[in-house]
Amino acid sequence: DIQMTQSPSSLSASVGDRVTITCQASQDISNYLNWYQQKPGKAPKLLIYDASNLETGVPSRFSGSGSGTDFTFTISSLQPEDIATYYCQQYDNHLFTFGPGTKVDIK
Amino acid sequence: QVTLRESGPALVKPTQTLTLTCTFSGFSLSTSGMCVSWVRQPPGKALEWLALIDWDDDKYYSTSLKTRLTISKDTSKNQVVLTMTNMDPVDTATYYCARIREDYDILTGYHLYFDYWGQGTLVTVSS
Repeated sequence: DIQMTQSPSSLSASVGDRVTITCQASQDISNYLNWYQQKPGKAPKLLIYDASNLETGVPSRFSGSGSGTDFTFTISSLQPEDIATYYCQQYDNHLFTFGPGTKVDIK
Repeated sequence: QVTLRESGPALVKPTQTLTLTCTFSGFSLSTSGMCVSWVRQPPGKALEWLALIDWDDDKYYSTSLKTRLTISKDTSKNQVVLTMTNMDPVDTATYYCARIREDYDILTGYHLYFDYWGQGTLVTVSS
């Protein structure tokens, strides 16, 4: 099975800061990598699909990049409503693995 | 408008079988490219993918849990059912169902995204 790691596991940043989260796969997954946002008590929400494509309706301050085994998720200017846990997720045909998550809060 | 809703028991005893139902609207599981999946999340922990069923009735399971899981669909009722046998306290979690959008590209293969989620249902395993 493909394993996913994320770093950091948590971070604290100020409003307006640029926030970067990295995700690494245990083997080459091309660009089969999605990013989700989960706010406390809520279901996850798709933000980025296929490593770099912004889901419809998602603010443009969110972006993703990478391919192969190394991926990056960025919030260009952190907003109070971005407080959440962010998960990367890979898919290998119809099998899926989520990363352990990165909790983002406001400093 | 796509919606999904999970239903099932809030409490199960160890060794019992859990049966969860996902009732959805706004799409049909008989439409090419549509899938429904189950994901769970223990309290304070990460998401864990469990199973998927697609429009063509193909089924896929988590490698670590596949001996305990069965997924099925009733297209006429717009429902997907997940059963998990031999429940244990470590299976205590919020269980989500989600729609998967499946795109196929002849060059790059399948592209899969969890684009709509239910609100989740908390299942506690305790005697």
